[in-house]
Amino acid sequence: ETGVTQTPRHLVMGMTNKKSLKCEQHLGHNAMYWYKQSAKKPLELMFVYNFKEQTENNSVPSRFSPECPNSSHLFLHLHTLQPEDSALYLCASSQETLGTEAFFGQGTRLTVV
Amino acid sequence: AQTVTQSQPEMSVQEAETVTLSCTYDTSESDYYLFWYKQPPSRQMILVIRQEAYKQQNATENRFSVNFQKAAKSFSLKISDSQLGDAAMYFCAYRSAGSNYQLIWGAGTKLIIKP
Repeated sequence: ETGVTQTPRHLVMGMTNKKSLKCEQHLGHNAMYWYKQSAKKPLELMFVYNFKEQTENNSVPSRFSPECPNSSHLFLHLHTLQPEDSALYLCASSQETLGTEAFFGQGTRLTVV
Repeated sequence: AQTVTQSQPEMSVQEAETVTLSCTYDTSESDYYLFWYKQPPSRQMILVIRQEAYKQQNATENRFSVNFQKAAKSFSLKISDSQLGDAAMYFCAYRSAGSNYQLIWGAGTKLIIKP
C-alpha cells in the first residue's frame, strides 16, 4: 500500500489519441505533483497543486493539461503527444510543511507511437 | 538556481560490503533539506534518508547514513552491509526551506549488488 495510487501502470497511445492519467492519494496531503522521468535525466517537475490550486507550471507544453478536482485526486490529460513524450510519469503528494517528504506513486509508463 | 549533481551513473558492490554514493549540490541558501530517494524496479520512489541543513549531526537510518559536508556542499550516502534488496536507482534531491517547495533532483546512480 503506497498511499499514492496511479492508473494506468502502462499506456500506449498514438499521436492523435486523447488519454488521461489518474493519481489518487489517501494520505490527507495538501500538495500534489506531476513529474516526468526520462532515461538518464533528472526528474522534471511538470505541475504542482497546493490546496487544489495550480502553483507551478514549469513551461510544460499545452498538450499536457492537468486537473485537480480535489486535494485527493490529480489528473493529467494528454492529447496530440509526440514520441519524445514517452517517459515514466510520476505523481507525488506531500504535506506542505517545511522539509516533509514527498510520497510517490508507482508511475505510468507512457509510450507514444 | 540550485543544482544537484550525482557524478556516478552506476556503482556496484559485493553483498554485505559497504558502498558510498556521491552527491554534490549548489545553492546560495543557508537553510534547506537534502534527501536520498531509492527507486527499485517497481518504480516507486521511496525516501531513504533526510538531512536538515541546520543540523550538524549526520542523519542515520539503520544501515543507511549520510556524510553531510555543508561547506563543501556534499551529501554522500553510505550503505553498510549491502543487501540484494538495495539494488535500485538512488536519487539525491534538494529542497529549499523557504516558500519554494520544489525538489531539485540529481540524475541518479544505479546501484548493483553482486551476490
